[in-house]
Order: sequence, then C-alpha cells, then structure tokens
Amino acid sequence: DTEVTQTPKHLVMGMTNKKSLKCEQHMGHRAMYWYKQKAKKPPELMFVYSYEKLSINESVPSRFSPECPNSSLLNLHLHALQPEDSALYLCASSQDPNREYEQYFGPGTRLTVT
Amino acid sequence: AQSVAQPEDQVNVAEGNPLTVKCTYSVSGNPYLFWYVQYPNRGLQFLLKYITGDNLVKGSYGFEAEFNKSQTSFHLKKPSALVSDSALYFCAVRDANTGGFKTIFGAGTRLFVKA
Repeated sequence: DTEVTQTPKHLVMGMTNKKSLKCEQHMGHRAMYWYKQKAKKPPELMFVYSYEKLSINESVPSRFSPECPNSSLLNLHLHALQPEDSALYLCASSQDPNREYEQYFGPGTRLTVT
Repeated sequence: AQSVAQPEDQVNVAEGNPLTVKCTYSVSGNPYLFWYVQYPNRGLQFLLKYITGDNLVKGSYGFEAEFNKSQTSFHLKKPSALVSDSALYFCAVRDANTGGFKTIFGAGTRLFVKA
C-alpha cells in the first residue's frame, strides 16, 4: 500500500464552525506533513510530525491545530477560520524525517470558508 | 540559502512533440532534486529524483531529467508529449548537507499539450 488518503475530499465551513481534516497512511512512514496550497501556487509547509511528535510549526495561526494520534493518522483541527484560509490542504508522509525529500502526497482536501 | 526557479509560468507543446520544463536551483552544498506533477484538484505525484549517480534520471510516465551541475539546472523532458501530460509541474530542491526540513518547491509550470 503506497497511498496516502485524505478525508473529506471537499469541505465547506462557516467562520464559526469547528471541523477536522483526516490523513492516513499505512506505509510505516514515521514523518507526516500538512501543507496548504493556494490555486496555481506551490505547496506551503504548515506542520511536520516526526515519530508522532510535532517537530515543525511554520508559524501557523492557532486556529489550525494538528494532532497525530498514532503513526498512521494525522488530523488537522480547524476552528474560527477566515475566508483567506480557503485552499487545498495536502497531507504527505515520508519514511522518516531524514528522507523528507521523498514524500508521498494525498489527494488533498479542498476547503472553502464562507 | 537555497532556492529553486521555474522561469516559465506556462509551456505549450503539440502532442507528439518533445517537451522541456525548465528548472534551475541554488544550494550551497550538493543538491537533491525532484520533479512532481499535480493534476487538477489532486495532490502532488512524485515523478523522479536526482540524489547522486548518473546525471540523466528516468522517472514515471516516460519523463526524464538531466542534472547539469555547471548550469545548476534540472530540466524535465519527454521525447513525445501526450495530451494527458497537461498538468502543473513542480521542481523541488534541498541541500544534501543541510539538516532538518529544507525541501523548497518552485513556483510551478503549467504544461498544456494540444492535440
């Protein structure tokens, strides 16, 4: 299994809502990543989890809250988002943090904040 | 500091013709170089990588790239383009001698292959 799955595929939420994005991989990878991608732009790194511990937070606002319950799962909890947070949110994984250059990406969650 | 540049926002090519998508980079040490492709509303798919060894790297879907150290380039090529190759292509680089998370993506090049 060389797949990273993400749910939901699409999400529309209001600025007062609380929602969560889910990412899952069963490749035994020990590093997982969240990216934000605006249209026609490269992905921007948000968070890196290394062996289930948060190792990098790229100065992301606290309305985004990551969680890594186990080595296969990565969540992104969303609360009080702004319309400018609308984007494609990509999850990725790599065998370990030292091989972050070989990442496997999920299909993404298209988030729209109204 | 490391950087990567994709000088063309868009590349247009006719089906059956060869295609080239350009990428240049700057790192202080040895580079690791990558190409990813992204289809509409999808995540990035890994195409190929250069870590060490032969300068000509072959990847998925008939793509290849040539590492040119003197020109600090890693252009993506395919001998005969398909309409289905139309997508957004990202070049990425990291310095092999740098610890931590340091992979940088280029701005992306949109490839249009016309039938």
